[in-house]
Amino acid sequence: DVKVTQSSRYLVKRTGEKVFLECVQDMDHENMFWYRQDPGLGLRLIYFSYDVKMKEKGDIPEGYSVSREKKERFSLILESASTNQTSMYLCASSPGGLAGFPDEQYFGPGTRLTVT
Amino acid sequence: AQKITQTQPGMFVQEKEAVTLDCTYDTSDQSYGLFWYKQPSSGEMIFLIYQGSYDEQNATEGRYSLNFQKARKSANLVISASQLGDSAMYFCAMREQNYGGSQGNLIFGKGTKLSVKP
Repeated sequence: DVKVTQSSRYLVKRTGEKVFLECVQDMDHENMFWYRQDPGLGLRLIYFSYDVKMKEKGDIPEGYSVSREKKERFSLILESASTNQTSMYLCASSPGGLAGFPDEQYFGPGTRLTVT
Repeated sequence: AQKITQTQPGMFVQEKEAVTLDCTYDTSDQSYGLFWYKQPSSGEMIFLIYQGSYDEQNATEGRYSLNFQKARKSANLVISASQLGDSAMYFCAMREQNYGGSQGNLIFGKGTKLSVKP
């Protein structure tokens, strides 16, 4: 089974702190994704990566950066956390490459981040 | 304009009955895929079922089936014989291109909260 793990289920940080959210997948997937999920807004894509050291902005990249130094690991970084970044963060991976359809995404358990 | 519309914020269904969750989509692409995910209260998104735009038959996976009406641009999820464990948020999603790599990311609807009553 595909396994996507996230470093924390719950995290509480203070405004202005630098925050790292880690995601690891064990299926040699090419693509990895970071989403945030807020009530009534569904899932919104922050950043994605289709290869090591490659990254592309999603729909809401402002205030975030990412790092992918190894194929299995994709990190989301909040350079200076703010209260409006309080949210559920979901990491996902998919086979990618020349997989074509369906290339379904497999999700981690999520990290509920609270910024006070 | 929304690409994926789920018009039912919440629904109730009696245990053992069937339920349909609505999803309409908007795309001008000929090649696309439609997905349904389940999110229990634990938070993890679980992939349920997939329908390709060129698939002639409706997709089925156990108790899940996808009622795909291409001309109407709808991809409704049907859950048969509902169980208490089906209580969750359900998300419809679309991927517009079938190229690999960076193109064709998933676009999600806002979800439908399903509650199964005993």
